[in-house]
Amino acid sequence: DVKVTQSSRYLVKRTGEKVFLECVQDMDHENMFWYRQDPGLGLRLIYFSYDVKMKEKGDIPEGYSVSREKKERFSLILESASTNQTSMYLCASSLGTGGTGELFFGEGSRLTVL
Amino acid sequence: AQSVTQLDSHVSVSEGTPVLLRCNYSSSYSPSLFWYVQHPNKGLQLLLKYTSAATLVKGINGFEAEFKKSETSFHLTKPSAHMSDAAEYFCVVTSYNFNKFYFGSGTKLNVKP
Repeated sequence: DVKVTQSSRYLVKRTGEKVFLECVQDMDHENMFWYRQDPGLGLRLIYFSYDVKMKEKGDIPEGYSVSREKKERFSLILESASTNQTSMYLCASSLGTGGTGELFFGEGSRLTVL
Repeated sequence: AQSVTQLDSHVSVSEGTPVLLRCNYSSSYSPSLFWYVQHPNKGLQLLLKYTSAATLVKGINGFEAEFKKSETSFHLTKPSAHMSDAAEYFCVVTSYNFNKFYFGSGTKLNVKP
C-alpha cells in the first residue's frame, strides 16, 4: 500500500516562529502536493511539485515556501508563522502522467499558531 | 476549465436508509472523477474513481457512483447508510495529465440512529 507520512500530527507554535512540515511518500510518485483545509473553505492548494527541485504555486502560496530535494520528500515551510495560518495541513502524492490520477493523502498536520 | 460543485453542504439520513450525495462537474475534456471520504481529524481516503471505463463505478464500503456525461454529474449513492458512514465527502476532478485536482467544497453526512 502507498503510504504518505506526515511527520507531526499536532503542532503548537508561536507567532513569528519558523515552521517545517515534513511529508514522505514511499511509492516513487512524481507529484506531491500541500493543501490546507479550513472549515467552510474546503481544501485549498498551497504548492505542488511534479519533480525533484520543481515546484509550482497553487491557489494560496503567500506566506509559504516548499522544498523538494529528494523525490520522496516534500517539505512545507512557514517562514514566520502567523495566527491566520492555524489550520489543518494535508500532504498528498500521485503517480502523475501514466497513472490513474489517484491522490494518496497523509493523516494531516494540525497546526495552531498562538 | 475544470470545476466541481457539490450541491449539498450537509446531508442527514437515518441509519438503514439510502444515501445520495450530489456532484456536478465542468470539464473541457473527458474527465477523471473521484470521491474521497474524510473522517474527523484524518486524511482523505479514496472511495471510488471513474477513469473513462464503466460509467457505474463501485467503491469501498458499498458506495457507488454513476458518471452521466449528458448531465455532467457524478452522484455518490449507497443503498443503506451505516453509522460509520458519518464523515465528510469530497468530489474531485483532475486535469488531463493528473497534475491538478479540483475539489468540491465537501458534503458532511450525518447518520441518525
